[in-house]
Amino acid sequence: GQNIDQPTEMTATEGAIVQINCTYQTSGFNGLFWYQQHAGEAPTFLSYNVLDGLEEKGRFSSFLSRSKGYSYLLLKELQMKDSASYLCAVRDTTQAGTALIFGKGTTLSVSS
Amino acid sequence: EPEVTQTPSHQVTQMGQEVILRCVPISNHLYFYWYRQILGQKVEFLVSFYNNEISEKSEIFDDQFSVERPDGSNFTLKIRSTKLEDSAMYFCASRDGLWSSTDTQYFGPGTRLTVL
Repeated sequence: GQNIDQPTEMTATEGAIVQINCTYQTSGFNGLFWYQQHAGEAPTFLSYNVLDGLEEKGRFSSFLSRSKGYSYLLLKELQMKDSASYLCAVRDTTQAGTALIFGKGTTLSVSS
Repeated sequence: EPEVTQTPSHQVTQMGQEVILRCVPISNHLYFYWYRQILGQKVEFLVSFYNNEISEKSEIFDDQFSVERPDGSNFTLKIRSTKLEDSAMYFCASRDGLWSSTDTQYFGPGTRLTVL
């Protein structure tokens, strides 16, 4: 079976750093994606990891450890507009081919 | 920047009616997807489409669902006889499929389907 776990909710203040964790158990693995989703809107792509290590993209970084089935998304210098759901998604080549299997998402609330 | 578009943004229908949701993927993309998200729940994969045929489908994608690429630009999802539980946001996504790319899927803005 497939299982992707993320915390349901997190809160943080403007200017802070927040780390959103994701653990996964899938029968195959061919990449992990992070998407941002504002309420009522489409998921928008943030980052992609297929090899172990850290990928940095401006204020956002994503880390992957395949041996541990673990990833995190790091958001720096938080802004109010970062309040959104953050979705961890795995591409499982065994069961769903190129489709993405999503976690339930982590709702991040940024306050001033 | 090219983007995936979807119409309509909102569709209200009666139970048992047929609905067609439309998507225009990014023009040079080769793989197309439909996902759905029931309110407050996670995004769920329905079907993927490549080279004019279904490449993968989930358990949700039963005989009531079908997909079509009627021309060079549109990609449609048809639900033949809608049920209350089909009420959800339906997202279309596409990716370019090039070996050099990250195979990122880009999502459209969604169609909110309400079945009464």
